[in-house]
Amino acid sequence: AQSVTQLGSHVSVSEGALVLLRCNYSSSVPPYLFWYVQYPNQGLQLLLKYTSAATLVKGINGFEAEFKKSETSFHLTKPSAHMSDAAEYFCAVRTGFQKLVFGTGTRLLVSP
Amino acid sequence: NAGVTQTPKFQVLKTGQSMTLQCAQDMNHNSMYWYRQDPGMGLRLIYYSASEGTTDKGEVPNGYNVSRLNKREFSLRLESAAPSQTSVYFCASSEGLERSTDTQYFGPGTRLTVL
Repeated sequence: AQSVTQLGSHVSVSEGALVLLRCNYSSSVPPYLFWYVQYPNQGLQLLLKYTSAATLVKGINGFEAEFKKSETSFHLTKPSAHMSDAAEYFCAVRTGFQKLVFGTGTRLLVSP
Repeated sequence: NAGVTQTPKFQVLKTGQSMTLQCAQDMNHNSMYWYRQDPGMGLRLIYYSASEGTTDKGEVPNGYNVSRLNKREFSLRLESAAPSQTSVYFCASSEGLERSTDTQYFGPGTRLTVL
């Protein structure tokens, strides 16, 4: 069964520092992968998605993710963190027609 | 264009009570979904509706029922609430396309507490 694993339930960075949120997938077929962000007391918003067109995917708010088949990873990065990036981030994999399986989430804390 | 809306935003129930969570979308999407979010567990699919007139079980359907009232609306019913159903519930919708680019759009959630 396809699944994703997010390493680290919490990640703390200083404003201006690099953001790296880790996601590894398990899939026997080429996966379709997504990153969502959830701001406090809000629903999930799509950041970016990988659909095999390009291994480096750029999303909203300066985030990007690189698909690495050899490492079965799809880590999310941003060169310089902003206070407004503080949120919970979810990696997800499409497991079948219209079905998504989510990771357990990583809460990003940004300090001034 | 409101996207996906959910009512109510908050609800407190006593064990055994029933209630219906409402969801509507104005994007003319074919598919709709109900998830629950629990701390440390991410989101889990309860039920989904691939198209108007169809519903299917997801990962955690026990204790819930759904109704796809029309193309816009998809409701989730708890017939006899239990404390284990305390959670945040999210509704989502998508175009419902077979292709990989099909994207789910989420509502703001309903925070439910069962005492």
